[in-house]
Amino acid sequence: EPEVTQTPSHQVTQMGQEVILRCVPISNHLYFYWYRQILGQKVEFLVSFYNNEISEKSEIFDDQFSVERPDGSNFTLKIRSTKLEDSAMYFCASSDFSDTQYFGPGTRLTVL
Amino acid sequence: KQEVTQIPAALSVPEGENLVLNCSFTDSAIYNLQWFRQDPGKGLTSLLLIQSSQREQTSGRLNASLDKSSGRSTLYIAASQPGDSATYLCAGDGGATNKLIFGTGTLLAVQP
Repeated sequence: EPEVTQTPSHQVTQMGQEVILRCVPISNHLYFYWYRQILGQKVEFLVSFYNNEISEKSEIFDDQFSVERPDGSNFTLKIRSTKLEDSAMYFCASSDFSDTQYFGPGTRLTVL
Repeated sequence: KQEVTQIPAALSVPEGENLVLNCSFTDSAIYNLQWFRQDPGKGLTSLLLIQSSQREQTSGRLNASLDKSSGRSTLYIAASQPGDSATYLCAGDGGATNKLIFGTGTLLAVQP
């Protein structure tokens, strides 16, 4: 069964460093999303992406964040200058016209 | 602003029991409602999607219903098994953008 994959599974970085989280959505899906979950808190929406542009972004998704679909298979989330409060589990999701969103296993980001 | 709440926060039941998990949302203008399962430290597994025109969905031992007028959804699990132990999340979207607003989750423990 097709699934969303994410790499790396765990990323440790120093405060102020740039990180890129990678996702490979399900191949025939057209809508892509990033969510995050801070430990012990709700899953929060960050951004949605369709037709090579951002469809919606949350208040969390400030100028430090960017997304890109550099080729036909990858979808990336970049954080330019990480802060301690960026430590969280980051989930990528994708969907087709059926509206069901399929989530990847997540990348645990730890900012020291 | 849409808020999604899940009751109870935690539930422990003996194996074989039927159980109901509750999800309520503040804005009845919800479009789709999706139920997920999350195992500790893992990603989100989609269980059921109830689309706007539907009132319930069934998959195996799971049945989810949606009542927009009352702002509630329920997930019914029949004949619970220890393997059902996980956190169950409900999430709704407003239709136009597909971003999911997540509930607080119910931590289910099924005792053998």
